[in-house]
Order: sequence, then structure tokens, then C-alpha cells
Amino acid sequence: AAGVIQSPRHLIKEKRETATLKCYPIPRHDTVYWYQQGPGQDPQFLISFYEKMQSDKGSIPDRFSAQQFSDYHSELNMSSLELGDSALYFCASSSEPLTGLAGGYTGELFFGEGSRLTVL
Amino acid sequence: GQQVMQIPQYQHVQEGEDFTTYCNSSTTLSNIQWYKQRPGGHPVFLIQLVKSGEVKKQKRLTFQFGEAKKNSSLHITATQTTDVGTYFCAGRPSNDYKLSFGAGTTVTVRA
Repeated sequence: AAGVIQSPRHLIKEKRETATLKCYPIPRHDTVYWYQQGPGQDPQFLISFYEKMQSDKGSIPDRFSAQQFSDYHSELNMSSLELGDSALYFCASSSEPLTGLAGGYTGELFFGEGSRLTVL
Repeated sequence: GQQVMQIPQYQHVQEGEDFTTYCNSSTTLSNIQWYKQRPGGHPVFLIQLVKSGEVKKQKRLTFQFGEAKKNSSLHITATQTTDVGTYFCAGRPSNDYKLSFGAGTTVTVRA
């Protein structure tokens, strides 16, 4: 079965440079999430998109931006990189309407393998 | 701040023993999900609980959702080396669509 595809898997950048991470969700999944996970930490929610529109925003720095394109793939753009941006960036996709499914169930998240960003 | 708190942060278990990880929310949750992340891997969905007091089992794993829908637990019996990893709970507050992850419980197993 198709999974969430993230690229690149590894990225090394210098401070103040820019980086772009790409995410290709599972086909027919309408929601994409971006998470940042520092070493030994839990995934921190950055931003999500539902049907190509931003649906929620978490602790995403102003230096970061993201969008979802017509083919549902998403890109996370990071500028003026700082040492603290070094982390594993996960993309996850799910199939769920904003109002949630009947009975309180909402879609489970399928995570990609992550993009490891190292800022030197 | 973190809406979902998870304890303990680390759990060192002798192979064959049982252990429990707990998840607590400051707000009522519409549902709670559990994920497992193996070392060097990505979080993988385990289960979702929705109903007050719900209990679900997956082989040696027992998941429970509290009556007030503010807490949850994962109990693993007869721990095996394959149980190594970090277990995250993730809750959706009733008044918010965002899924909030707990800090995770990292499990190591002594053979």
C-alpha cells in the first residue's frame, strides 16, 4: 500500500540558509499535517491543510511557511535557518473532514519517514 | 503549553514484566489515539478510543479511556524486546480539532 512520501530524507544547511521539504500524502487523503520532532521530544504540531486550505496552525515560526498544492502534495519552506531548527520533520496525512467522522472518531495519522534537517 | 501530559517519560522493564503508561489531559477529549515510534522510525498508529470508559485490547496491549474522557492508559503485559520504542498518546480536545501529542514514554527492555 502507498505510504506518505517525504523528501529529502536528509538535509544539511548552514545558518541563515533556506530549506524546502516536500510531502506526498497517501492518495485520496485530504488532510496533511507537519510536525517537528527534536531529539528525544514529542512531535510538535506546526501546521495542517485540508483540501489545499490551511486548516490549523501550531507552533510554526514566522520564518516558516507551507502550502498544499492542487495535487495535494505539500511543501514546508524554512528561511533564515537557525541551529535550533535542526530536527526531524514529519509529514502525516489522514482522511477526515473538518467536522470529524460520526461517533467522535477522527482519522488516524499516517506518518512519513521524516526529513532530518541539520543546521550547521 | 502541552495539553496532554504523559507519564512516565522513561520505563525500563525486565523482559516478561508488565508496565503501564498514563496520559492525562486538562480538557475533555473527543477521542484519544495511541502511536508507537520505534527507535529511528516514525510514529505508527496503534488504536483510537472514543467512548467514555472504553477498553480495547491488542494482544498484550490494553488501552483504556477514562470515564471523564480526560485520561487514558496503555498497559503492556509480558513485555518483549519487540515492545521497545516510544509510545505516544495524542488527544483531540472537544473544543479543538488539533491533535495534541503527549511527550511519550520511552520503553527499554532488559533481556
